[in-house]
Amino acid sequence: KAGVTQTPRYLIKTRGQQVTLSCSPISGHRSVSWYQQTPGQGLQFLFEYFSETQRNKGNFPGRFSGRQFSNSRSEMNVSTLELGDSALYLCASSRQGTNTEAFFGQGTRLTVV
Amino acid sequence: SQQGEEDPQALSIQEGENATMNCSYKTSINNLQWYRQNSGRGLVHLILIRSNEREKHSGRLRVTLDTSKKSSSLLITASRAADTASYFCATANTNAGKSTFGDGTTLTVKP
Repeated sequence: KAGVTQTPRYLIKTRGQQVTLSCSPISGHRSVSWYQQTPGQGLQFLFEYFSETQRNKGNFPGRFSGRQFSNSRSEMNVSTLELGDSALYLCASSRQGTNTEAFFGQGTRLTVV
Repeated sequence: SQQGEEDPQALSIQEGENATMNCSYKTSINNLQWYRQNSGRGLVHLILIRSNEREKHSGRLRVTLDTSKKSSSLLITASRAADTASYFCATANTNAGKSTFGDGTTLTVKP
């Protein structure tokens, strides 16, 4: 069974640009959650999508957005990039959400210069 | 601050020894999950323990949950150098609709 796939693995962007990250969940999983991990803030919850609807949202500015497609694949977009957005972005897939095991992808390492 | 807080922040032991790390949280939970993360990589799911469970085992891993003390512990027995990683607990509350991670315990197992 294929795991969670995140693309790209590494990304370098310039301040002010925008970026789109992709996450393909495990087959049969309908929930995809996104997290930002930085040395200073640890793992911070961004949002969760379930059946193409955003079900929960963390405390991030509106520059961070996402969506989920009918095949459960999810994308996350960050507009007007700032240096502080440099982080490891992780997505997790689960069958139903927080009451079921969540499996993570390898992450996308975003560097903003 | 994070819902889950791991203790200790860092732990260094010799191969073959047992490693115990703790997680405390503040509000009621539906379940608690433990993860391992090797440097710069994704998180690997270890165990999920539900609020009505007190103990679970998986191979060399033993997780306990004490909801009255709002705490959980992860025990790794007969540790190996390959167990060197950061370990995180994540608490899930259905009402909140999300899992909240602690800052992690960095475990170093010396060969």
